[in-house]
Amino acid sequence: DTEVTQTPKHLVMGMTNKKSLKCEQHMGHRAMYWYKQKAKKPPELMFVYSYEKLSINESVPSRFSPECPNSSLLNLHLHALQPEDSALYLCASSQEEGGAKTQYFGPGTRLLVL
Amino acid sequence: GENVEQHPSTLSVQEGDSAVIKCTYSDSASNYFPWYKQELGKGPQLIIDIRSNVGEKKDQRIAVTLNKTAKHFSLHITETQPEDSAVYFCAAGTYGGSQGNLIFGKGTKLSVKP
Repeated sequence: DTEVTQTPKHLVMGMTNKKSLKCEQHMGHRAMYWYKQKAKKPPELMFVYSYEKLSINESVPSRFSPECPNSSLLNLHLHALQPEDSALYLCASSQEEGGAKTQYFGPGTRLLVL
Repeated sequence: GENVEQHPSTLSVQEGDSAVIKCTYSDSASNYFPWYKQELGKGPQLIIDIRSNVGEKKDQRIAVTLNKTAKHFSLHITETQPEDSAVYFCAAGTYGGSQGNLIFGKGTKLSVKP
């Protein structure tokens, strides 16, 4: 089973709202990732968690706040977003962190910021 | 840092024909090359990957070739079917790198006409 699940599938929020995206995997993977994907573009890495610790933050604005409560769960807390933050947010996981480790993606959360 | 170029950006073929997508990379340290298929409204799905210790890998109608000297790798789809229509992303990754994450090409939109 190589399944990564994400909720919700769609999210509409105002610029003053606070919301959270959730990601879950039960493959025993110890690295989890958040990516942002704009239309007709490749995924852009935002954060990497390795063994539940933040390993990489690709200079993401503080209005995005990741959290890894345990080895199976990854959250992305959203606050005071801008319309340009509208995108598909993808979660991925791999056995361990590393460019040569196979990453499995979830279906994504399509976010619209009004 | 690594840079991955992908061509063509769009590709249209007749059902039953073959499709070839090519990628080049710049960092000779890259040694892992996955290919992802992304259908509309879904997350990227890993379809095949290759590591630098082999030159070719096949899985049914899909094959990937790697030329480390020339720093390029290609995806070959034979006997294309309408359900192969999607956006395909190549990526390059490095084992053990401090960043250790995937660099994606810009994607190829494949259309298979019945």
